Amino acid sequence: EPEVTQTPSHQVTQMGQEVILRCVPISNHLYFYWYRQILGQKVEFLVSFYNNEISEKSEIFDDQFSVERPDGSNFTLKIRSTKLEDSAMYFCASTGGGARTGELFFGEGSRLTVL
Amino acid sequence: GEDVEQSLFLSVREGDSSVINCTYTDSSSTYLYWYKQEPGAGLQLLTYIFSNMDMKQDQRLTVLLNKKDKHLSLRIADTQTGDSAIYFCAERLNMRFGAGTRLTVKP
Repeated sequence: EPEVTQTPSHQVTQMGQEVILRCVPISNHLYFYWYRQILGQKVEFLVSFYNNEISEKSEIFDDQFSVERPDGSNFTLKIRSTKLEDSAMYFCASTGGGARTGELFFGEGSRLTVL
Repeated sequence: GEDVEQSLFLSVREGDSSVINCTYTDSSSTYLYWYKQEPGAGLQLLTYIFSNMDMKQDQRLTVLLNKKDKHLSLRIADTQTGDSAIYFCAERLNMRFGAGTRLTVKP
């Protein structure tokens, strides 16, 4: 069964460092998403991406965040200068259906710990 | 703005039914989802209901949708210890999640 894969599963970094979280969406999917879940809290939408550009972003997705689809398979989330409060589980998701109707498939998440 | 609300905790005994409730604000959502998250794991889609339905049954799971009240519920029949997890409801239009309901099943 096709699945969304994320790497790394866990990354520990020092405050102020840059981090890149990688995702390989399901191959024929067109819409990609990043979500964040701070430990014990709700799953929060960060950004959606379609046709090589951001289609929607939340207020959390400020200038320190960026997304990219550098090739035909990877979808990355970059955090330029990490802060302690960026420590969270980051989930990537993709859908092949409509932007607002297709089932979202989630990866297992990348846990980011900022020290 | 759009919001999805859930109660945070539910505790039941093994074999009982569990009912997890959710309310949402955006009436134009096409699909409403229930996701399950086990400790340290990702989000697993359990079931979903299309907005023109009021009930969907899938083995031990029953989803009820009251569109007028914007209320969604997930009933788990014969709850097992393996059902202990956090359950998130989500509305598809904006793909917003509730805070999650932590279900604890006691033997």
